[in-house]
Formats: sequence, structure tokens, C-alpha cells
Amino acid sequence: QLQLQESGPGLVKPSETLSLTCTVSGGSISSSRIYFWGWIRQPPGKGLEWIGIIHYSGRTYYNPSLKGRLTISVDTPKNQFSLKLSSVTAADSAVYYCARFNDDSDDFDYWGQGTLVTVSS
Amino acid sequence: QSALTQPASVSGSPGQSITISCTGTSSDVGSYNLVSWYQQHPGKAPKLMIYEDVKRPSGVSNRFSGSKSGNTASLTISGLQAEDEADYYCCSYAGSSIWVFGGGTKLNVL
Repeated sequence: QLQLQESGPGLVKPSETLSLTCTVSGGSISSSRIYFWGWIRQPPGKGLEWIGIIHYSGRTYYNPSLKGRLTISVDTPKNQFSLKLSSVTAADSAVYYCARFNDDSDDFDYWGQGTLVTVSS
Repeated sequence: QSALTQPASVSGSPGQSITISCTGTSSDVGSYNLVSWYQQHPGKAPKLMIYEDVKRPSGVSNRFSGSKSGNTASLTISGLQAEDEADYYCCSYAGSSIWVFGGGTKLNVL
């Protein structure tokens, strides 16, 4: 069974860079060309926001509202992908989920449990 | 891209049917058969319930069904059960390799 697990600091200072890693187990991140690997976030008490996705080939697609601050990368030997969001503010505080995106059916079919990141000094 | 529009909450009694709407535009919901629906219980990760507007993943109860008309997609849950009480989110492809979620709907099972 495919499993995804987010990891990273739970507290980040304003203006610094938020960094998270998602480790995939139970399957290879490069097992099929139809899968992308993505990030979605959810501010406390609010709805889901699509952040971006990456293919194991390195192809990326980002939310335009975060472009310029966002970098998603993949490390296929480690079976991991990562998110870096720079110049964070309190508005970036959220639960961050990593998920697998199925490009054939255009949906997020496997999700991590999520990790809370708070931006505060 | 603006978030898709969903009602903040809907309610229903056990055994009844409810429908949650998800309204977008001709640039997203109305242009592609690529709306998915997710169920999220408190403190848990979202779970895929419907994809490609109307398809149900294996393992999801057939009480859940999806439909679409124009720029509005809908999720219908029939035979409501207490365990269906959760937040529900729609998501649509919006073109140019961008995806957008709805604001979410809280389903109350009375």
C-alpha cells in the first residue's frame, strides 16, 4: 500500500523559508509516467489550496499565486519530493499535505497525513 | 484563478439524500470533465470520492455519485449515514496546468 509522509519544521519565522519533504513508501516515485507528486495546504479552519505538482522527470506546475516564492523538487533515489516556500508570512501558516496526482484521471488519489506549519516569530 | 464556489454547509437526516454543488466558470468546470470530490473528516487527510466528474474509485460506496451541468458540478450522497458527516471539497482542472479547489462544504447529518 502506497504511503506518503510529510516531514519538516513545525515553526518557521516570518521572512524565512519553509521547507518540507514528503517520503514515499510502498512504491517508487518513478514507477509510472502517469503520476505526479504534489502539495496542497489548508490554513486552520479554512479550505484546501492547490500548491503545485512535480513529475519524476522534474517537470513542475505551480499555483500562479505562489510563483516566485515556490520551488518543488524531486529526489528519485531517496523516493522523496520537497517543497520550499520563501519569504513566508503568517498567511502561509497551514497544514501542508503531500499527495500523489494521477494524470490519467486528474485526481489526488493518495495523501499524506499532513503536517502543521506555523509562521511566527 | 478563483476558488470554486460551494455552499458553506448542507444538512440532512439519516436515510435522506443531499446534493452539494460546486460552481465554477467556463474556463474550469465547464471546459473539462475533470472535477474530483474529496471527503475530509476532522483532523484527517482528504479522501478521493469522485473523479472525472462522475467516476467512483474502487472501494467508495455507490451511495456517492457525481454529475455536472454547465459550469456546476454536484456531489450527491444517498441514504445518508452518520459517518458521512464531514467536509467535502471539489477540485477542477482550470487549464494551463493549474488546478483549483472549492471552498468546502460542511455536511451535517442531523
